[in-house]
Amino acid sequence: EVQLVESGGGLVQPGGSLRLSCAASGFTLSHYALNWVRQSPGKGLEWVSYINWSSSAIYYADTVKGRFTVSRDNAKNGLYLQMNSLRVEDTAVYYCVREDYGMDVWGQGTTVTVAS
Amino acid sequence: DIQMTQSPSTLSASAGDRVTITCRASQSINRWLAWYQQKEGKAPKLLIYEASTLESGVPSRFSGSGSGTEFTLTIINVQPDDFGTYYCQQSYTYLYTFGQGTKLEIK
Repeated sequence: EVQLVESGGGLVQPGGSLRLSCAASGFTLSHYALNWVRQSPGKGLEWVSYINWSSSAIYYADTVKGRFTVSRDNAKNGLYLQMNSLRVEDTAVYYCVREDYGMDVWGQGTTVTVAS
Repeated sequence: DIQMTQSPSTLSASAGDRVTITCRASQSINRWLAWYQQKEGKAPKLLIYEASTLESGVPSRFSGSGSGTEFTLTIINVQPDDFGTYYCQQSYTYLYTFGQGTKLEIK
């Protein structure tokens, strides 16, 4: 079964850091670009970051640029999001998403709460 | 950044109805548009990509059209399972953006 499973979410204080992980199974991760998409409570979807198959092309939303770093390890079938200088407004469910034609496979999401 | 604007924000329909959701881009995105359905507490599901191509396994009552700056998602013969929130998303530029969502309620 094609699957993405996120982990690493939790409660963190403003200014803190967190590292999210996403484990892929059922397909060859290196064949696909990947994204992180988040959704704040009661709000819509917000694209966060993109990384192509070889990590040679990486993009970030302006709201996280300079604070978040995306990376991948194709050998380990993993995608990661290092989040630093977290703000209250970063509170959201974070989804790991495979991109083929459209964002075709989504993880179940991991919840990040930034609060004091 | 390219802004995506959906209308309406909410929509109420009865089973069997035909509904249309519109998505407008702030600049031309050719046909680089996808549609997603999200149910409460669940991850979004891809319905349509490249404006009009139906994702595998998605019922044929869903269809998409448009190009440039204006796009539509149409559901004919709406079913009770179609309730949820629908989002459009552009992939013309790598600063991807989503519409704000359209909530479809089934009467």
